[in-house]
Amino acid sequence: GQSLEQPSEVTAVEGAIVQINCTYQTSGFYGLSWYQQHDGGAPTFLSYNALDGLEETGRFSSFLSRSDSYGYLLLQELQMKDSASYFCAVRDQGGKLIFGQGTELSVKP
Amino acid sequence: GAVVSQHPSWVICKSGTSVKIECRSLDFQATTMFWYRQFPKQSLMLMATSNEGSKATYEQGVEKDKFLINHASLTLSTLTVTSAHPEDSSFYICSARDRTSGGVRSYNEQFFGPGTRLTVL
Repeated sequence: GQSLEQPSEVTAVEGAIVQINCTYQTSGFYGLSWYQQHDGGAPTFLSYNALDGLEETGRFSSFLSRSDSYGYLLLQELQMKDSASYFCAVRDQGGKLIFGQGTELSVKP
Repeated sequence: GAVVSQHPSWVICKSGTSVKIECRSLDFQATTMFWYRQFPKQSLMLMATSNEGSKATYEQGVEKDKFLINHASLTLSTLTVTSAHPEDSSFYICSARDRTSGGVRSYNEQFFGPGTRLTVL
């Protein structure tokens, strides 16, 4: 089976840095993706890690450690518009995505 | 680029009726499309993988006779919820994977549609 764990909610203030962790247990692993979803909207792709290390895209960075079955999404210089749900997802060999339960991020002024 | 549309964006129907949801890749060809269901404040649950020209592959616990999937072309997949009941009320989201393995678009990325909110009375 496959399971992913991430915190259910995180609160931070504007301008701060927040890290959302994700641990996974999967029978096959072909990469860890992160998606952002605003209320009532579609998930939007943020990042993908297939290999260990840090991937940086603007204010967002994602990290993967395959030996620890662990990854995180780092959001810097938080803005109010970053308030959303963030999902980690594991990709299997067939390209299917298995999503975590999501972390609801609330950014306060 | 990489736009996926869904139609309708929302639908309200009576119990017992069937509802068809369309998923289209507008500017790329998708050999594979995925259908998800999401209940409020919950995660996306993969229902089935739709492959162009072949039968869909359903996840465990998803009734194939209730959720009919057709992927007739490289840009269109449809999900039909047959004999819908109130417990089928949910947010249905499709995603599409670009068939090109190189170039500008990452092979690894799935592009999601805006979702269809189904309410069954």
